[in-house]
Amino acid sequence: DGGITQSPKYLFRKEGQNVTLSCEQNLNHDAMYWYRQDPGQGLRLIYYSQIVNDFQKGDIAEGYSVSREKKESFPLTVTSAQKNPTAFYLCASSPTLLAGDGNEQFFGPGTRLTVL
Amino acid sequence: AQKVTQAQTEISVVEKEDVTLDCVYETRDTTYYLFWYKQPPSGELVFLIRRNSFDEQNEISGRYSWNFQKSTSSFNFTITASQVVDSAVYFCALGSYNTDKLIFGTGTRLQVFP
Repeated sequence: DGGITQSPKYLFRKEGQNVTLSCEQNLNHDAMYWYRQDPGQGLRLIYYSQIVNDFQKGDIAEGYSVSREKKESFPLTVTSAQKNPTAFYLCASSPTLLAGDGNEQFFGPGTRLTVL
Repeated sequence: AQKVTQAQTEISVVEKEDVTLDCVYETRDTTYYLFWYKQPPSGELVFLIRRNSFDEQNEISGRYSWNFQKSTSSFNFTITASQVVDSAVYFCALGSYNTDKLIFGTGTRLQVFP
């Protein structure tokens, strides 16, 4: 089955620690995205990537970093510089980057990060 | 500026009632796409529909229907005879030709009570 996997589903970390969230897709999509969702709020874009070894900052990139070494993988690191990291993180992919081409985004199941 | 507004934060209905979720968008592009996604309690967003700016025909899929009106920049979503399983957060999103990301609204939480 094609799709997006995110691991782990729940993640706990101590304040001051970096943590990496995994995102893998087998849809052969070029574009991948990371979103943050806080309770009662919409999706906010953290980073996105059009192709391997290329990525762009979204609306709330501070305190986060990403890499795109393989087409299938787009891990997100939440660094200790992120002041309020507790949130639900969603990874998504689409065939190409251009939203105006009608490309829907396919979403993973999400990772719920809690900082203790 | 691109923007999507979902003014209804939360809606509660009793099963079998019809309910309409509103979506108003702003864009200067003439070519764009509108989307609706459903986010059930499990958290994963599920794609429901895509509509391009040149097609104003309403669409019906089972109990779901969508009304696209360019004159009012709206793309509203109606659930007929709602069911408990429809309880979720629903997001409207806009993809314009000249942008490389989807613009999401803040979502509407729908609660359907038995």
